[in-house]
Amino acid sequence: DSGVTQTPKHLITATGQRVTLRCSPRSGDLSVYWYQQSLDQGLQFLIQYYNGEERAKGNILERFSAQQFPDLHSELNLSSLELGDSALYFCASSVGGGGGYGYTFGSGTRLTVV
Amino acid sequence: AQTVTQSQPEMSVQEAETVTLSCTYDTSENNYYLFWYKQPPSRQMILVIRQEAYKQQNATENRFSVNFQKAAKSFSLKISDSQLGDTAMYFCAFMKPRNSGNTPLVFGKGTRLSVIA
Repeated sequence: DSGVTQTPKHLITATGQRVTLRCSPRSGDLSVYWYQQSLDQGLQFLIQYYNGEERAKGNILERFSAQQFPDLHSELNLSSLELGDSALYFCASSVGGGGGYGYTFGSGTRLTVV
Repeated sequence: AQTVTQSQPEMSVQEAETVTLSCTYDTSENNYYLFWYKQPPSRQMILVIRQEAYKQQNATENRFSVNFQKAAKSFSLKISDSQLGDTAMYFCAFMKPRNSGNTPLVFGKGTRLSVIA
């Protein structure tokens, strides 16, 4: 157990629908990062939150949004889902905004859009 | 923007042998951090080893070591005495230091390593 908790582990939904992925960071970590990993691809950075505020944005689609709550958990909202959104979505956390110690990853949420 | 390139999509190695995975990166920064992550079939991302660019000494973690060549912008991973449990996807990753702003880990596309009995 890495200490980063992601729910649900698996999600199957239809095109056009909206889903919410949840992440609880490791205790003491203030930063949360979301990554998308499509089939046999590397990890693409989506967005970072630090202590409740958005800090960095990657190639996140306008249909996607995220937030970090006062208890530091984060949610990634994916709407108007398309088949191409099927992927493994990782949440990771770190103590600060990236002090060089790498991230601790959750086990991911596998999203399948049918 | 920083880029990370892993030129070997797939590799295989016999159990107990040594294998080296290649990684190159592009940056104009002088200080930064480099990482190797392992993703086994379980899909969990596991930190294998990290290197600070301002340290000349190559990092080692048990059977895992790196060859960091700063001038060449090269960061290879050597796995000694390969074990079946080393079978995984290996990702090289780059991070700028905190004082350069909040920048995320940038990953290469990965190398799929198979350890053969």
